[in-house]
Amino acid sequence: KAGVTQTPRYLIKTRGQQVTLSCSPISGHRSVSWYQQTPGQGLQFLFEYFSETQRNKGNFPGRFSGRQFSNSRSEMNVSTLELGDSALYLCASSLTTENYGYTFGSGTRLTVV
Amino acid sequence: GEDVEQSLFLSVREGDSSVINCTYTDSSSTYLYWYKQEPGAGLQLLTYIFSNMDMKQDQRLTVLLNKKDKHLSLRIADTQTGDSAIYFCAESRFTGKLIFGQGTTLQVKP
Repeated sequence: KAGVTQTPRYLIKTRGQQVTLSCSPISGHRSVSWYQQTPGQGLQFLFEYFSETQRNKGNFPGRFSGRQFSNSRSEMNVSTLELGDSALYLCASSLTTENYGYTFGSGTRLTVV
Repeated sequence: GEDVEQSLFLSVREGDSSVINCTYTDSSSTYLYWYKQEPGAGLQLLTYIFSNMDMKQDQRLTVLLNKKDKHLSLRIADTQTGDSAIYFCAESRFTGKLIFGQGTTLQVKP
């Protein structure tokens, strides 16, 4: 069974640009969450989607947004990139929103220059 | 509040047991997790424990939960060099949101 797939694996963008990251959950999983990992702040929750609805949102500015499609695939978008947005962005999927067995993807490493 | 604390570094000899500790503040936590992260990789779920349990064993891994003290530990028996990684403790409620600790770097010396 395929795991959680995140694309692209690596990305370099310039300040002010926008970026879209993609996450394909494990087949049958309906909940997708996004996390930002940086050396300074550690792992921080961005948002969670279930059946195309955002169920929970972390403390990030409005430049960070996401969505989930009917096939459970999810995208997150960051507009007007800042240097501080450089991070590893991790996606996790689960069967439901009940918290057991969240499976993480390998992440997208975003570098903003 | 939401706070999960871990010590930052642990060094052990191959074959010894490793014990990684974690404390959390939210008494309404429902599940507590241990994840492993190797360099350049995502997070691998090692094990989880429901908050009404006090112990869970899975092969070389033993999780102990002291709910009164809000203390969680992960014991790895017969630690191998392949266990070298960063270990994250995380807690959640029924919200789809995981709160992670800062991670403990486990160094296993041959």
